[in-house]
Amino acid sequence: GENVEQHPSTLSVQEGDSAVIKCTYSDSASNYFPWYKQELGKRPQLIIDIRSNVGEKKDQRIAVTLNKTAKHFSLHITETQPEDSAVYFCAASNQGGGADGLTFGKGTHLIIQP
Amino acid sequence: DSGVTQTPKHLITATGQRVTLRCSPRSGDLSVYWYQQSLDQGLQFLIQYYNGEERAKGNILERFSAQQFPDLHSELNLSSLELGDSALYFCASSARDGSDTQYFGPGTRLTVL
Repeated sequence: GENVEQHPSTLSVQEGDSAVIKCTYSDSASNYFPWYKQELGKRPQLIIDIRSNVGEKKDQRIAVTLNKTAKHFSLHITETQPEDSAVYFCAASNQGGGADGLTFGKGTHLIIQP
Repeated sequence: DSGVTQTPKHLITATGQRVTLRCSPRSGDLSVYWYQQSLDQGLQFLIQYYNGEERAKGNILERFSAQQFPDLHSELNLSSLELGDSALYFCASSARDGSDTQYFGPGTRLTVL
């Protein structure tokens, strides 16, 4: 089955700086890669996703890049703000076959230092 | 608010007991997914239902079972509970199978004493 590795497990950046979180996946059939943000005790919330027919996607301060050949994808957050502090999860699945449960990475605790 | 609802919010029970967690998907969504989140295992996919039928199984234990009813709500049944089953259980829903974003509910926190 699919295996998703996520790094780093903790990331501390100064407010206003950029943050980058990286993930690798093992199953070349995976074609959907969402990123979720989870605050303490709350539900995971989708912040951005990318499908394998696209190399990069941006939404304001957030961007995701995908390298299918190397089987890795990354989340980039620019101009970080205190409200960006949370745990971020990457995930992968094979959509289109009808069975698309997400395989998650272990998460990155992002700390924005004032 | 994602539109996915889960009850109860918290559940405290003893080892060996059985509990049922309930999920109502977003209006119009046909797919329901169950996930378990614990400190040691992270977020793990358990099972997926689509329009009443089981579609995929992940790391779901044999002591756990689920179903999706004609009104599309879903229940996750956990039996012979062990201390290690203590976790947050999330339900997610998507519009169809295989093509859409999964939206998560608020979760049920299960504590097994």
